[in-house]
Amino acid sequence: AQKITQTQPGMFVQEKEAVTLDCTYDTSDQSYGLFWYKQPSSGEMIFLIYQGSYDEQNATEGRYSLNFQKARKSTNLVISASQLGDSAMYFCAMREGIYNQGGKLIFGQGTELSVKP
Amino acid sequence: NAGVTQTPKFQVLKTGQSMTLQCAQDMNHEYMSWYRQDPGMGLRLIHYSVGAGITDQGEVPNGYNVSRSTTEDFPLRLLSAAPSQTSVYFCASSYYTSGARVTQYFGPGTRLLVL
Repeated sequence: AQKITQTQPGMFVQEKEAVTLDCTYDTSDQSYGLFWYKQPSSGEMIFLIYQGSYDEQNATEGRYSLNFQKARKSTNLVISASQLGDSAMYFCAMREGIYNQGGKLIFGQGTELSVKP
Repeated sequence: NAGVTQTPKFQVLKTGQSMTLQCAQDMNHEYMSWYRQDPGMGLRLIHYSVGAGITDQGEVPNGYNVSRSTTEDFPLRLLSAAPSQTSVYFCASSYYTSGARVTQYFGPGTRLLVL
């Protein structure tokens, strides 16, 4: 069965420093998509970045990048130059299959990131 | 576009009461989903729909019913509320594509407290 594991319940980072949030996944499917979402204290879910299982390059979106290690089944989120506004809950999620099968996602437990001034 | 809208934003129920959480999207998305978020457990899929008239169960469907009579609306019904259903409920929508790089658009959430 597919599963997402985020082992860091909480993380602290100094403003302007980089931080890595860990995510490992388990799936028997060869085709899948991996997502990261940010949830600030206001509660909305904000899409950050996506990595496909067949993508050869690590995904990058502005200050967000992924360290995708397919053999280890991990997709760690790297936030560079942390800002106070990055303080939030971060969720890793996975969808199996090539096609968007009904939009079903499996989420990890989340990591709460706090950025210190 | 309003995106994905959810009503109400907050609701208090007594055990045994029924209610419907509303979800609507104006992006003509084929797929819609309901998730619940509990502390320390992330989001879990309750029900989802791949189009009008087609629904299926997710990971935690017990105690919830859904129907999808139109592309725009996907209400979630609690038939007899229980304290275990106290949670934050998110509705999401996405469109069909042959590629996997499709994110979901989430609504703002509904906070439900069952006493």
